[in-house]
Amino acid sequence: EIVLTQSPATLSLSPGERATLSCRASQSISRYLAWYQQKPGQAPRLLISDASNRAAGIPARFSGSGSGTDFTLTISSLEPEDFVVYYCQHRDNWPPTFGGGTKVEIK
Amino acid sequence: QVQLQQSGPGLVKPSQTLSLTCAISGDSVSSNSAAWNWIRLSPSRGLEYLGRTYYRGKWYTDYAVSVKSRMTINPDTANNRFSLHLTSVTPEDTAVYYCARAHVFLGTGYFDYWGQGTLVTVSS
Repeated sequence: EIVLTQSPATLSLSPGERATLSCRASQSISRYLAWYQQKPGQAPRLLISDASNRAAGIPARFSGSGSGTDFTLTISSLEPEDFVVYYCQHRDNWPPTFGGGTKVEIK
Repeated sequence: QVQLQQSGPGLVKPSQTLSLTCAISGDSVSSNSAAWNWIRLSPSRGLEYLGRTYYRGKWYTDYAVSVKSRMTINPDTANNRFSLHLTSVTPEDTAVYYCARAHVFLGTGYFDYWGQGTLVTVSS
């Protein structure tokens, strides 16, 4: 199965700063990658599908890019509610797998 | 608006069977455009995909290799829900379990609606 490696594990930033989260796949997955946000005590929420398509209702400050094995989630200007955990997930083949997550914390 | 409501016990004894149900509103378990999935989250394994059921003229079910020998996912068309049964549980199966929908609009590979999650602890 495809392994997704997220980096860094923790990202320490201040509100208003730009966040850049990375997800690397163990083999090419074309653009079949999604990003999720998970707040404490809640289920993950789909942010981005197919590398760069924002899901319904997701603010424009969230953007995704990449293809092949290297992908990036960018939050252009961090809001207080953005300091949570983010996961990537692929759908290139069976089974879908998730990355280990990146926690964005307040510096 | 699609909603998924999970139910089931939060404590299961080792070697017993873990059973959870996910009730669907705003969509149908028999939809030809959706797949109905189970995913779990634990500190040791992170987010782990477990399996799915879906209807495309007949019922299909797929399981992750890690749980295939112990897991069953059943659709319940009469009550518009689906269930998970995991046999012979050990403390390693302690996790928050989620049900989730995947829709063909998203390639049936991403999860756009999720249940609220159920913390299941395996302990005697």
